[in-house]
Amino acid sequence: SQQGEEDPQALSIQEGENATMNCSYKTSINNLQWYRQNSGRGLVHLILIRSNEREKHSGRLRVTLDTSKKSSSLLITASRAADTASYFCATNYQLIWGAGTKLIIKP
Amino acid sequence: EAGVAQSPRYKIIEKRQSVAFWCNPISGHATLYWYQQILGQGPKLLIQFQNNGVVDDSQLPKDRFSAERLKGVDSTLKIQPAKLEDSAVYLCASSPRGLGGTEAFFGQGTRLTVV
Repeated sequence: SQQGEEDPQALSIQEGENATMNCSYKTSINNLQWYRQNSGRGLVHLILIRSNEREKHSGRLRVTLDTSKKSSSLLITASRAADTASYFCATNYQLIWGAGTKLIIKP
Repeated sequence: EAGVAQSPRYKIIEKRQSVAFWCNPISGHATLYWYQQILGQGPKLLIQFQNNGVVDDSQLPKDRFSAERLKGVDSTLKIQPAKLEDSAVYLCASSPRGLGGTEAFFGQGTRLTVV
């Protein structure tokens, strides 16, 4: 069974808007990672947040983690066409993945 | 720094045939993963190696899939015999340390089509 589940399954926004996607997981973790996948560059690591962290920033990305709710969110600010991709969360040791959120940025 | 190399990029075989995929991880990375990604789904871990030992192969269909990592470097994944439902992208990834403590670096994958 999948450890992580992303929500929503698909998201379509205008370029320049912010995009928020969520991830829920089932068991305890020591870290949670977000990855992006598009046809051009394959799967690329975006950001890792450890279980003792609540928020982390990297450029236009902001990740939050709520271990009490077993959930994380990824915020992409000022979206660009190049952000069009599928976004996955992955947890812990075996990097068990959800089905992803498909993000489409409209020009 | 060279990335994770996989070959071939594409493979088309008939059902019941055999196929092998090769992965060369980033130099010095102790952990190597093989994933299966079916269209529209997230990656599913098949097997995880730490150096040349298997850490987790609980989701590997061992009646038809096998994997090895000789000398703790390159790895091969084999399917014998292939079924139609094996059509997927097979991704190899490596990370510097084991047990998911750091990011994983992915290869471009091998797209397998079983007809």
